[in-house]
Amino acid sequence: NAGVTQTPKFQVLKTGQSMTLQCAQDMNHNSMYWYRQDPGMGLRLIYYSASEGTTDKGEVPNGYNVSRLNKREFSLRLESAAPSQTSVYFCASSDPGVEKLFFGSGTQLSVL
Amino acid sequence: AQKITQTQPGMFVQEKEAVTLDCTYDTSDPSYGLFWYKQPSSGEMIFLIYQGSYDQQNATEGRYSLNFQKARKSANLVISASQLGDSAMYFCAMSLNYQLIWGAGTKLIIKP
Repeated sequence: NAGVTQTPKFQVLKTGQSMTLQCAQDMNHNSMYWYRQDPGMGLRLIYYSASEGTTDKGEVPNGYNVSRLNKREFSLRLESAAPSQTSVYFCASSDPGVEKLFFGSGTQLSVL
Repeated sequence: AQKITQTQPGMFVQEKEAVTLDCTYDTSDPSYGLFWYKQPSSGEMIFLIYQGSYDQQNATEGRYSLNFQKARKSANLVISASQLGDSAMYFCAMSLNYQLIWGAGTKLIIKP
């Protein structure tokens, strides 16, 4: 039972490079989310997708783009990475109502 | 403003004792949910317990219970009979309109 799968687990980028974080869930959830977690802080919502075909900005969307490729997959793209984007990124999914989020294992991203 | 506050950055508790982790929230919306998640040193986010704003009884899940005091806007997590494996970061979160608002977390260390 895979749940929410994120790739890669670790990534180091140079300033200005681009990359895409991949996320897939096998629980047939409608809603998917991307969060970032900085040291000493709770999670902050970057983008979410309430259902296939829709995406919305969260609290900290600047510098990111997302694609809800299908019901299973929700990717996060950094077009031009900046050191301020050094963080741990979590993908999550849920059924409508957000009674329980299922999280991926996280991606540790460092931008030098 | 919608906000979650966890006032205890860190706590030390003796093994087998009960522990209460504090969480207060602020919202004017009558419909919301309150969550607790555990994040061990390995980094994954583990769902512990959920309380809906209209639920009459306090939620319980095994050794975890949520002390929900709506008038005081508090949602404290109580862990009974603490174990060494309970050492982790604990996050309180509130759900509003597809978004989870997170507290900064409490680092709990269980002493043998």
